[in-house]
Amino acid sequence: GAVVSQHPSWVICKSGTSVKIECRSLDFQATTMFWYRQFPKQSLMLMATSNEGSKATYEQGVEKDKFLINHASLTLSTLTVTSAHPEDSSFYICSAPGTGFGEKLFFGSGTQLSVL
Amino acid sequence: DAKTTQPTSMDCAEGRAANLPCNHSTISGNEYVYWYRQIHSQGPQYIIHGLKNNETNEMASLIITEDRKSSTLILPHATLRDTAVYYCIVRFSSGGYQKVTFGTGTKLQVIP
Repeated sequence: GAVVSQHPSWVICKSGTSVKIECRSLDFQATTMFWYRQFPKQSLMLMATSNEGSKATYEQGVEKDKFLINHASLTLSTLTVTSAHPEDSSFYICSAPGTGFGEKLFFGSGTQLSVL
Repeated sequence: DAKTTQPTSMDCAEGRAANLPCNHSTISGNEYVYWYRQIHSQGPQYIIHGLKNNETNEMASLIITEDRKSSTLILPHATLRDTAVYYCIVRFSSGGYQKVTFGTGTKLQVIP
């Protein structure tokens, strides 16, 4: 069945490096991908919405140059955290709506990013 | 700009029905209501969704009011494994783009 596969599950990196998170839609085409960030004991916060073949739409307060989103194909969307700093440490989750009106949302399993 | 509001927390005795309310008073006519739950450090798990009619599946029932301004998720026989944060969400359009925003969710604690 339809699934969103997210990798890696967790990553530890040094401050100043860049980290790429991938989300792939399996058995369906994801024209839209939502990217969320979640801090401990808080709700999911929408960062941006990516659409295949066009620029991502970022929420207010989210730096587009820091969080680069690419949605080059109907099955792959990536989020790159550039020049990561400790305050970027968080749980990142992607989600794609299934095709068809009213289809449910498929969520990735999340990526725990720890920046040292 | 979450489109839904939920109580912050609820307790439920094991074996009893858990009724989780959600207010979505600004919902539009063609927007679905979705329910997901999240256990610590995992991606949200799908429970159920609906438009206007009540829905039931193997996990839960969803009761939507006639005016669609609120809904209730019912877990008929809560177990300890149902302890989680439950989110009621609406997919909507803003500026020509789809968006899905989360409110605070309800932390359900099932008590033995």
